[in-house]
Amino acid sequence: DAGITQSPRHKVTETGTPVTLRCHQTENHRYMYWYRQDPGHGLRLIHYSYGVKDTDKGEVSDGYSVSRSKTEDFLLTLESATSSQTSVYFCAISESNLGGGNSPLHFGNGTRLTVT
Amino acid sequence: DQQVKQNSPSLSVQEGRISILNCDYTNSMFDYFLWYKKYPAEGPTFLISISSIKDKNEDGRFTVFLNKSAKHLSLHIVPSQPGDSAVYFCAEKWGNTPLVFGKGTRLSVIA
Repeated sequence: DAGITQSPRHKVTETGTPVTLRCHQTENHRYMYWYRQDPGHGLRLIHYSYGVKDTDKGEVSDGYSVSRSKTEDFLLTLESATSSQTSVYFCAISESNLGGGNSPLHFGNGTRLTVT
Repeated sequence: DQQVKQNSPSLSVQEGRISILNCDYTNSMFDYFLWYKKYPAEGPTFLISISSIKDKNEDGRFTVFLNKSAKHLSLHIVPSQPGDSAVYFCAEKWGNTPLVFGKGTRLSVIA
């Protein structure tokens, strides 16, 4: 079981409030990712990081920002939460970006966020 | 536009029979396809992958077939077990770009 901890596991918040989700890894992997999972959409990439302070946007980055000040932590922030951001958020890590069976993504157990 | 398509949202199979999950893709350039399995309230876990230079990869009960001319891949599970009931995602990997996932297929294996 890859050492990935997501916090909180569940959160309910109101529209317009800021929210920060945390991903913590103990594997010292270089790459970290934030995905969201929604019915009918599968897993979609929000942002990813390829090193400390190095981040890039994914497919659905609007309304989200990220920060990575340490190798082990990757934070996802919703500056002003909207109902469309109600989703399950998954953090993932990988040792390299080569892909394949040698460097698969390892996922955390997710954060269920509800925006009312 | 979605690059990886899983056109069947769900599939039901009897225990002991073969499960076949399908995935179509649009890009001709890719390095790997990967399959992930997801149980409720857990994160996806890596199952099996296939590189662009192969047409088949096998790992125990799981076999992935790649048909490049048809831009189609499939995951075969033989024999299917109730513990295989989960959502299965195919994902495409190319170069330095992150994985792109399909929408998933929910497999139900009925005892």
